[in-house]
Amino acid sequence: GAVVSQHPSRVICKSGTSVKIECRSLDFQATTMFWYRQFPKQSLMLMATSNEGSKATYEQGVEKDKFLINHASLTLSTLTVTSAHPEDSSFYICSARVAGGSPQHFGDGTRLSIL
Amino acid sequence: QQQVKQSPQSLIVQKGGISIINCAYENTAFDYFPWYQQFPGKGPALLIAIRPDVSEKKEGRFTISFNKSAKQFSLHIMDSQPGDSATYFCAASVFRGARQLTFGSGTQLTVLP
Repeated sequence: GAVVSQHPSRVICKSGTSVKIECRSLDFQATTMFWYRQFPKQSLMLMATSNEGSKATYEQGVEKDKFLINHASLTLSTLTVTSAHPEDSSFYICSARVAGGSPQHFGDGTRLSIL
Repeated sequence: QQQVKQSPQSLIVQKGGISIINCAYENTAFDYFPWYQQFPGKGPALLIAIRPDVSEKKEGRFTISFNKSAKQFSLHIMDSQPGDSATYFCAASVFRGARQLTFGSGTQLTVLP
């Protein structure tokens, strides 16, 4: 149980395009979803926290107009990287949890490469 | 301070040996301490977690030791196997609410056959 699916697993696109990444909780309803960014051989850095039906809360230094997060349902959150540039290339990982005592369950990440 | 400090950065252990990874935190509000295992190209997977009301928790070959007064906790992997080779992250959060995780810097574990 507690499976989080992330799609796509890898995307390569040209500079200036926008890229959407989906995060789905397959067998549970996620009251809270998180988006992380991870550079090679580094730790996970929290970008934003989103609750279903509310605006996401972004961490300091994360541009909310650059990284658009939508959490429209209890099983789906999306991250859109707008006007992506090479410096946005990274491994993006989502996680989800339900309220109460449950831990965060992570997706398998999306490798984003901007040419 | 939200920082969680993790050491060592890398660790090489012989098959059958004990792997020990240490973490220290500063924020006394933290009361939930999970450990995650991450393989290349994959997301982190929860291994084991502890809360401050106990000093040790064991699940199979994995044990967390927790020292509240020192604000330190560690992961012990007994009888380490080559399949345990991965990156391990400690994390900390406040148990109530959104439970946002603050991650340590990670430890690259290599278990030699």
